[in-house]
Amino acid sequence: DTGVSQDPRHKITKRGQNVTFRCDPISEHNRLYWYRQTLGQGPEFLTYFQNEAQLEKSRLLSDRFSAERPKGSFSTLEIQRTEQGDSAMYLCASSWGSGKEKLFFGSGTQLSVL
Amino acid sequence: GESVGLHLPTLSVQEGDNSIINCAYSNSASDYFIWYKQESGKGPQFIIDIRSNMDKRQGQRVTVLLNKTVKHLSLQIAATQPGDSAVYFCAEASTGNQFYFGTGTSLTVIP
Repeated sequence: DTGVSQDPRHKITKRGQNVTFRCDPISEHNRLYWYRQTLGQGPEFLTYFQNEAQLEKSRLLSDRFSAERPKGSFSTLEIQRTEQGDSAMYLCASSWGSGKEKLFFGSGTQLSVL
Repeated sequence: GESVGLHLPTLSVQEGDNSIINCAYSNSASDYFIWYKQESGKGPQFIIDIRSNMDKRQGQRVTVLLNKTVKHLSLQIAATQPGDSAVYFCAEASTGNQFYFGTGTSLTVIP
C-alpha cells in the first residue's frame, strides 16, 4: 500500500494522559499536514511541514500539541495532558510540490478522551 | 478567518440521476479548490480539483464548476450510483499552503 498510513487507528485514553500519533506519508511527498475533524464538521487545519521544517501552525494548536517530522519522512503528533475536548479524528495528509497541490489523506486516528 | 460553506447539509437523489453539490467561499484571494469524498470511518478521498484560471473541469462522471464572480463552486456527479453515497467537502486554498474545508454535504443515493 503506497497511501498515507496512520497509527494507531483508534486510541482511548484518560484525561490528563499524553498520547502520540504517527503518520507515514506517501513516499517522496515533501509536504505533510495534520488536521483535526470532529463529528459533522470538515477537517480543521492544525499544522504542516515542508520536508522537516514546520512552516505553519494554526491558532487552534495549543501548547499541549506538538508535531515533529525529524527526517522529513514520517511525522508524530503528541498531545500532552489530554482533555475531553481533544476527542476527535486526527487526519494526516501529504502532497508533493512547491505550490498548492492536492492533499492525499490517511484514514485517521480516532481519539477518545474519557 | 476563512469561511467555506455548503448550501445544503443533506442531499438525496435517485440512483441514475445527476447530483449537484454546491459550495460558497468568502475569500476572493482563494485560487485553488478541491472536492473530497469522505465515507464513514475513512479519510477524505480526492475527487477533482480546479484552479482559479479555469471555470470548469471534468473528470470521470464528475464536473466541477467555478464561478469566481459570486464565489461559488459546484460538483456535479453524473448517473449517481449507490457507491457515491458519502459526505462531500469542498476545500479552498488562498495565501499560504493550508486548505480550509467546508462543513460538508451528506449525499444519499436511493436505489
